[in-house]
Amino acid sequence: GDSVTQMEGPVTLSEEACLTINCTYTATGYPSLFWYVQYPGEGLQLLLKATKADDKGSNKGFEATYRKETTSFHLEKGSVQVSDSAVYFCALTSNTGNQFYFGTGTSLTVIP
Amino acid sequence: DAGITQSPRHKVTETGTPVTLRCHQTENHRYMYWYRQDPGHGLRLIHYSYGVKDTDKGEVSDGYSVSRSKTEDFLLTLESATSSQTSVYFCAISEAHGTGGSTDTQYFGPGTRLTVL
Repeated sequence: GDSVTQMEGPVTLSEEACLTINCTYTATGYPSLFWYVQYPGEGLQLLLKATKADDKGSNKGFEATYRKETTSFHLEKGSVQVSDSAVYFCALTSNTGNQFYFGTGTSLTVIP
Repeated sequence: DAGITQSPRHKVTETGTPVTLRCHQTENHRYMYWYRQDPGHGLRLIHYSYGVKDTDKGEVSDGYSVSRSKTEDFLLTLESATSSQTSVYFCAISEAHGTGGSTDTQYFGPGTRLTVL
């Protein structure tokens, strides 16, 4: 079945460091891929998405490229800020399934 | 931001009591979902709805029931709450489902923190 595996956390970085959170997926059809962010005490917010192979999603300095050959959708940011501290979820939905599949989340803490 | 509200936002109840959580949307989206979020498990789908009076089970549906009598409202009921149902519950909505396209994007409510003593 469809599934998402993402990098275990927690991750702690200094401000202005580079960030990569790994996400790989398994899907039987043609999935759309998503990154969601959850700030403390809040619901999940869509961060970025890509709906087909080689698409790059981007938002707020974050980027992720849909790599079909490696079944990956890694989240990257060149210079993190304290305000990026949150939990990040990779997710997919497929045209052959009836669910939205989430990874277990990666907690990021950015220290000044 | 998508217009999704959840009520109550916090609830403490006792084992064996019934509990109903409400999700309300103003986006007129067809699909609505209930998830629970627990440490180490990420989000797990409880039930979802694909239209008024049309619902289906998710991964962790045991002990939960749902109803959708209007497009805008999706209710989650714990008939007899247990301590294992202590969790944070999120409602989500989407325009479409299973297309593999951008209209599958889910938008989330702020969550309800439920504690069952």
